[in-house]
Amino acid sequence: GAGVSQSPSNKVTEKGKDVELRCDPISGHTALYWYRQSLGQGLEFLIYFQGNSAPDKSGLPSDRFSAERTGGSVSTLTIQRTQQEDSAVYLCASSPDSRNQPQHFGDGTRLSIL
Amino acid sequence: KNEVEQSPQNLTAQEGEFITINCSYSVGISALHWLQQHPGGGIVSLFMLSSGKKKHGRLIATINIQEKHSSLHITASHPRDSAVYICAVMEYGNKLVFGAGTILRVKS
Repeated sequence: GAGVSQSPSNKVTEKGKDVELRCDPISGHTALYWYRQSLGQGLEFLIYFQGNSAPDKSGLPSDRFSAERTGGSVSTLTIQRTQQEDSAVYLCASSPDSRNQPQHFGDGTRLSIL
Repeated sequence: KNEVEQSPQNLTAQEGEFITINCSYSVGISALHWLQQHPGGGIVSLFMLSSGKKKHGRLIATINIQEKHSSLHITASHPRDSAVYICAVMEYGNKLVFGAGTILRVKS
């Protein structure tokens, strides 16, 4: 498909385990964003990648969270030593570049920490 | 105080009614986005605007930069418009700041 693809769509794991969430942006989109939507709360920004520039990590809630983007395309969000408060829907979005263009969202990964 | 405030939080309308959702923000922005989220989670970008007014089908979005205010209007509302509508502002930089969303239910 031509949209933003995220995997897995659902992930259930035990507290303390590490998880990796994947985002495949639209081909040719240089800007990639990760957001989190916790139950009963709004969306919050996590991290932003633009081309080969250093990512904007200002939204990451703790040092247990990290993300990388290989080859300017696929991105992986990693959460180490998961906690119950990490349970949320993690959304990825991409845009052609960062200059005030609409973002295209994936369907998200629903993460549940037991 | 949140940087982005939406009102109302919840809205129930009868099919055919004209609907307005409001968004106020307190920071300088380069653009404002209106997003739609249906049950099940998928988010769709409806509008991105930095001035004036945009129209797409039955949807109209306006923004007043001086007053730091935007509105989303739905004309001739339909039950399929039922969704959460989210206002988000792009601060100078690359970070979207989101409102809490407006839950809209249109009854037939």
